[in-house]
Amino acid sequence: RKEVEQDPGPFNVPEGATVAFNCTYSNSASQSFFWYRQDCRKEPKLLMSVYSSGNEDGRFTAQLNRASQYISLLIRDSKLSDSATYLCVALTGGGNKLTFGTGTQLKVEL
Amino acid sequence: SQTIHQWPATLVQPVGSPLSLECTVEGTSNPNLYWYRQAAGRGLQLLFYSVGIGQISSEVPQNLSASRPQDRQFILSSKKLLLSDSGFYLCAWSAMSSPLHFGNGTRLTVT
Repeated sequence: RKEVEQDPGPFNVPEGATVAFNCTYSNSASQSFFWYRQDCRKEPKLLMSVYSSGNEDGRFTAQLNRASQYISLLIRDSKLSDSATYLCVALTGGGNKLTFGTGTQLKVEL
Repeated sequence: SQTIHQWPATLVQPVGSPLSLECTVEGTSNPNLYWYRQAAGRGLQLLFYSVGIGQISSEVPQNLSASRPQDRQFILSSKKLLLSDSGFYLCAWSAMSSPLHFGNGTRLTVT
């Protein structure tokens, strides 16, 4: 079983839609979690950290469920510019090792 | 502010040739440093990480090696490249228990 698993997609949604991605992790000792965004042929960039209480940044909301070992990302009012691959990341190894999921591809269409 | 530099941006090398990719970080001390590889259409694979000078952890056995000769310098090397070494190589840094920050990456094509 992979340490971090994501649905690869692609998710094709119309502009303005709400879309949610889930990610599961297998290591219960994982300490912190993040969502990254990666545009085609570019480096991943940090989108947001994921806190136990859930957190929101504009149109983006991240949630963590430790009991079920999954995290989620909700994007409201999708924009064309949101089209990218979204990577789920878990921090383990005493705070030194970050494991990436394979990413979920989002395509926002007119 | 912290910055990370990675070069070259693109590289085309023949099979069997050596490789050296360099990464440097500015604006921080004693960062954790990482090398990742992303094959075409695939996820990020952690190759090496380092928590200090001369301290290298290898995640995947392969013909690549890494070295950290200085606090903010991380080098990825190979003595003989294989076709399967082609990919997008990313250097990254982080502070303890913090998110990663990536360099712009090196796109390596082994021919």
